[in-house]
Amino acid sequence: NAGVMQNPRHLVRRRGQEARLRCSPMKGHSHVYWYRQLPEEGLKFMVYLQKENIIDESGMPKERFSAEFPKEGPSILRIQQVVRGDSAAYFCASSPLEQEQYFGPGTRLTVT
Amino acid sequence: GQQVMQIPQYQHVQEGEDFTTYCNSSTTLSNIQWYKQRPGGHPVFLIQLVKSGEVKKQKRLTFQFGEAKKNSSLHITATQTTDVGTYFCAGPANSGYALNFGKGTSLLVTP
Repeated sequence: NAGVMQNPRHLVRRRGQEARLRCSPMKGHSHVYWYRQLPEEGLKFMVYLQKENIIDESGMPKERFSAEFPKEGPSILRIQQVVRGDSAAYFCASSPLEQEQYFGPGTRLTVT
Repeated sequence: GQQVMQIPQYQHVQEGEDFTTYCNSSTTLSNIQWYKQRPGGHPVFLIQLVKSGEVKKQKRLTFQFGEAKKNSSLHITATQTTDVGTYFCAGPANSGYALNFGKGTSLLVTP
């Protein structure tokens, strides 16, 4: 049973470009969460999605950030017009119900 | 809003010594979860505590949930180099869905 998959593992973008981060939850999991981790910091919740629905996006910046979890395919976190402050590790987690969360390997985003 | 605080931020021990990290919430928690993240890795779920005063053990790791359900601790007996990493506690956010993570305690174990 494959775990949570994220790609790419590393992403380099210039300021002003778009970043697309993908997450495939564990089989059978219908809940997906995105977190951001800055160096030496804990994880900050960004958004919680179920299939085709955004349930809670209270942790996501209002501008430039969006997330989706379509009926088919992975969940996508999209960052438009990236800035240096967006450089971080972005982790996706999934759970079968609202229980313990299983994390993917993360995408390390570097904005130059 | 609800905050989860962890102390200490860093701990450096000799192999064989014990280690404890403490977690405190500003509000009562329905449950608390613990995760471990190895350097360069991703958080891995360790355990969830639900009941007031609950104590759970996993080999050399002992987890406690306070009577008031506002604090928790993780104690490692006789640390090994494989215990190196950052240990996070996390409680449900106000929305009930996401997790509020503490900033973690980074454990370094030298042989």
